Amino acid sequence: GESVGLHLPTLSVQEGDNSIINCAYSNSASDYFIWYKQESGKGPQFIIDIRSNMDKRQGQRVTVLLNKTVKHLSLQIAATQPGDSAVYFCAENWTSGTYKYIFGTGTRLKVLA
Amino acid sequence: GAGVSQTPSNKVTEKGKYVELRCDPISGHTALYWYRQSLGQGPEFLIYFQGTGAADDSGLPNDRFFAVRPEGSVSTLKIQRTERGDSAVYLCASRWGSEDTQYFGPGTRLTVL
Repeated sequence: GESVGLHLPTLSVQEGDNSIINCAYSNSASDYFIWYKQESGKGPQFIIDIRSNMDKRQGQRVTVLLNKTVKHLSLQIAATQPGDSAVYFCAENWTSGTYKYIFGTGTRLKVLA
Repeated sequence: GAGVSQTPSNKVTEKGKYVELRCDPISGHTALYWYRQSLGQGPEFLIYFQGTGAADDSGLPNDRFFAVRPEGSVSTLKIQRTERGDSAVYLCASRWGSEDTQYFGPGTRLTVL
């Protein structure tokens, strides 16, 4: 399963530096991946997505990299800001065409002033 | 426009009681999802609806959990004979047609005493 312990991995980054958050996904058949940001007391918020026929996609200050060989996804945030502090989750479309999404291990990002 | 809304925002109940949690999706969104999120973990898929029918209910943990979406819009997650282990945040998300992006509501925090 995708459950994790009570203590989320934490990444502490200095304001203005770049952040890299990693995710190992489970299913080699997954063909669509999403990164979500979740702030305390709120639901997950879509950040960026990528399909399995791509290995890189860029948004505003964010880049997602996909390595299907090792089933690894990363989210890069440029010039990290205090407002980026949150928990970040990756999610995979478990089976192509089913629209069922499975969330992976979250990472807490702390931005230091 | 209005996002996904969930009511109540908090629900405290006693072990053995019945609860209903409501989700109002974004207007026009055809798909609706329910997730459960325990402290420090990623959202856990429960069920998703395409229109009025449950397209995938494989995440419902047992027969105490049931969800309906009778008119293809509002959905209700029903939990019978609640147990302390049901305490969690219940998240709802909706999606339009063949678009992949889900939009989440703020969640309902359920506490079973």
